[in-house]
Amino acid sequence: KAGVTQTPRYLIKTRGQQVTLSCSPISGHRSVSWYQQTPGQGLQFLFEYFSETQRNKGNFPGRFSGRQFSNSRSEMNVSTLELGDSALYLCASSLGQGIRDTQYFGPGTRLTVL
Amino acid sequence: KQEVTQIPAALSVPEGENLVLNCSFTDSAIYNLQWFRQDPGKGLTSLLLIQSSQREQTSGRLNASLDKSSGRSTLYIAASQPGDSATYLCAVNSNSGYALNFGKGTSLLVTP
Repeated sequence: KAGVTQTPRYLIKTRGQQVTLSCSPISGHRSVSWYQQTPGQGLQFLFEYFSETQRNKGNFPGRFSGRQFSNSRSEMNVSTLELGDSALYLCASSLGQGIRDTQYFGPGTRLTVL
Repeated sequence: KQEVTQIPAALSVPEGENLVLNCSFTDSAIYNLQWFRQDPGKGLTSLLLIQSSQREQTSGRLNASLDKSSGRSTLYIAASQPGDSATYLCAVNSNSGYALNFGKGTSLLVTP
């Protein structure tokens, strides 16, 4: 089975711009979760989608949003980028229980905000 | 709020040694605990998931234990190999709320 894929792998943006990241889960997985990883804060949960619905959300501002399509692929969007948004963004897919199931992570998208 | 701590932050051992990585958490009301491995510039790979009702899980040379009452988990790696070099993260799922709280990780280097 193919693993979780994320595109693009690297991205450079400037402050104030917006960005969209994409995640394709493992075939048959209906839950997709997104995480932000920074050296200072470590890994932090952003949100989880299941069957096109946001099921849970972490403690991030409204600039961070996402969606899930009927084929379980997910996108996350960050609007009005700030320098502090520079991070590795990871998505993970799992079976029905979301983050309470074994998480299968993609390789991540490295976002640099200048 | 659940706080997860991993000690030590970094560890260097010679090949062949058995080693233990530690993870502690502040709220013992957990649903499960997961151990992950992360290679530089890569995503995370799930190693072991321990449900709150379990005491330990084993996979090959890896053994993870869980002591909820003391808020601790350990990951035991037997006969370490250079290929085990990576950052190891533990993550706790609490009963209250819905979040996966990660520790900052232990960076392991196994030297030949």
